Amino acid sequence: AQSVAQPEDQVNVAEGNPLTVKCTYSVSGNPYLFWYVQYPNRGLQFLLKYITGDNLVKGSYGFEAEFNKSQTSFHLKKPSALVSDSALYFCAGSYNQGGKLIFGQGTELSVKP
Amino acid sequence: GAVVSQHPSRVICKSGTSVKIECRSLDFQATTMFWYRQFPKQSLMLMATSNEGSKATYEQGVEKDKFLINHASLTLSTLTVTSAHPEDSSFYICSALDRAQGTIYFGEGSWLTVV
Repeated sequence: AQSVAQPEDQVNVAEGNPLTVKCTYSVSGNPYLFWYVQYPNRGLQFLLKYITGDNLVKGSYGFEAEFNKSQTSFHLKKPSALVSDSALYFCAGSYNQGGKLIFGQGTELSVKP
Repeated sequence: GAVVSQHPSRVICKSGTSVKIECRSLDFQATTMFWYRQFPKQSLMLMATSNEGSKATYEQGVEKDKFLINHASLTLSTLTVTSAHPEDSSFYICSALDRAQGTIYFGEGSWLTVV
């Protein structure tokens, strides 16, 4: 079965420190992987995607993610966290372009000053 | 990024009435849109896939007669919650596929409260 997992419900980081939000996938074929961020009472904002090509994908607001096929992972990273990065982050995958997204459980990121 | 507009952002309706939520892709054509429901602090639950000019595909367990979806144009899909009950109160989010970008963009969501 196709699935996306975010093993951490919550990640706490001090402002200025690097952050990582983990995501692993089980998607057949060549996966299409996405990261979205959700602020309270808002919809999801697109951060970045991996379809093909370079394993390191750069996205909005200084975020990046690395596609690792051997570990079936697509972790979200940022070199220096901001308090304003505090939000709910969703990893999502699809087994074909334009297909419905399979979401992870979400990870709440808290960045403290 | 591409913009998906969802309206209304908040709506309160009486039990037994119907309420319509609109989802529009503002700067791209979307042959496919998706409707989700989200409970507090939880992930998104896909309700149905809306395809322009054809019937929506509903996920297992979602009542198609209760959650009516219409995708009459390339930029508009609507979700109508019929005979709403308090347990239908939730945050509903739509998304639209920008096929040229290979990316799905989300609306801002709609809070439905049934009293």
